[in-house]
Amino acid sequence: DSGVTQTPKHLITATGQRVTLRCSPRSGDLSVYWYQQSLDQGLQFLIQYYNGEERAKGNILERFSAQQFPDLHSELNLSSLELGDSALYFCASSVDTGQATNEKLFFGSGTQLSVL
Amino acid sequence: GESVGLHLPTLSVQEGDNSIINCAYSNSASDYFIWYKQESGKGPQFIIDIRSNMDKRQGQRVTVLLNKTVKHLSLQIAATQPGDSAVYFCAENFNNAGNMLTFGGGTRLMVKP
Repeated sequence: DSGVTQTPKHLITATGQRVTLRCSPRSGDLSVYWYQQSLDQGLQFLIQYYNGEERAKGNILERFSAQQFPDLHSELNLSSLELGDSALYFCASSVDTGQATNEKLFFGSGTQLSVL
Repeated sequence: GESVGLHLPTLSVQEGDNSIINCAYSNSASDYFIWYKQESGKGPQFIIDIRSNMDKRQGQRVTVLLNKTVKHLSLQIAATQPGDSAVYFCAENFNNAGNMLTFGGGTRLMVKP
């Protein structure tokens, strides 16, 4: 068990809908990362938050957004869903001292999103 | 939760043999590398890491080799066991400001009993 908790484990929805994925990082970790894993793209970095603030952005669509709350949990919001958004969405966390020291990421078990 | 890329390379080994999984990374400025293991239904699990000022690092039954000249990373697993069957990803960090990892495409390791 990595200590990173993601809910829900599975989500089935229809095109055009909006969903929210939730992540609780490991105790004490300040940084949260969201990754998307699909069949043809591998693990793609979406976005990172550090202590409530956005720190880095990857290949995240404008229809997607995220936030990190004061208690450090994070939510990834996916709107106007399309069939191609079906994928596994992982959250990861790291301690992140803020001094750019290169740290390992600990991943949750993911949320499997199916858009029908 | 399985990574089942249609074109995922597969390495098949006999139980007890050594395994070598290779990875070519993309950015010569990368200074931190990690190997992750992903089992079916689970998220990537940290195995071992190495910084660019090293060329070899050993863990328990695993060794990572880094060749910066050709931008190549390898993971060696000694005495491979059925429990090692999984998809293995290498990841690199070339964005110190964000501690963001960029992942390779993955290799599926199948261990035959």
